Amino acid sequence: DAMVIQNPRYQVTQFGKPVTLSCSQTLNHNVMYWYQQKSSQAPKLLFHYYDKDFNNEADTPDNFQSRRPNTSFCFLDIRSPGLGDAAMYLCATSLGRGNQPQHFGDGTRLSIL
Amino acid sequence: DQQVKQNSPSLSVQEGRISILNCDYTNSMFDYFLWYKKYPAEGPTFLISISSIKDKNEDGRFTVFLNKSAKHLSLHIVPSQPGDSAVYFCAAKVGGGSQGNLIFGKGTKLSVKP
Repeated sequence: DAMVIQNPRYQVTQFGKPVTLSCSQTLNHNVMYWYQQKSSQAPKLLFHYYDKDFNNEADTPDNFQSRRPNTSFCFLDIRSPGLGDAAMYLCATSLGRGNQPQHFGDGTRLSIL
Repeated sequence: DQQVKQNSPSLSVQEGRISILNCDYTNSMFDYFLWYKKYPAEGPTFLISISSIKDKNEDGRFTVFLNKSAKHLSLHIVPSQPGDSAVYFCAAKVGGGSQGNLIFGKGTKLSVKP
């Protein structure tokens, strides 16, 4: 089945230690998104790639970066995680940016020690 | 400032009855609306959507109603089943392009009791 896969499902890192979260897709969608979701909150878009074109949300901290080496993979890099970055990180894909639903992975739960 | 609001954090319904989940929005430019369902430890799953040119869209047991004048949409599940117990997110967007990103509500937790 075509799907969106996030690895790892759970990630623990130390305060200030860089961490990378991974997302891959077999849907061949040209748009990939990264969301941050904290407990009882709405998912919040961090940035997205339309093909290789990177689109950052205005309020996304500089601490968060992303890479998309090819259509199938997208990475979220947190350069110096703080305690406030502990959250669920969701990757999603869509076929274009029009009226198309986004398809989500199961997320990576990030904990900061 | 929340543009998409789900004012009921939780809803409990008896199996076989109708579940009605509500969502209000403030941005009159939104023209595409979606509902997602989320089970614990899984990502949100797309359920149903509606364009602003329609006022109703139906898919099996799920129907979404859109009232543009009231800036309100609702999801009806009939009949409700225990497997429908999940958190339901309402989302909205303004057209396409990079400005057309999804804005989510905080979700409503639905519990369907046998």
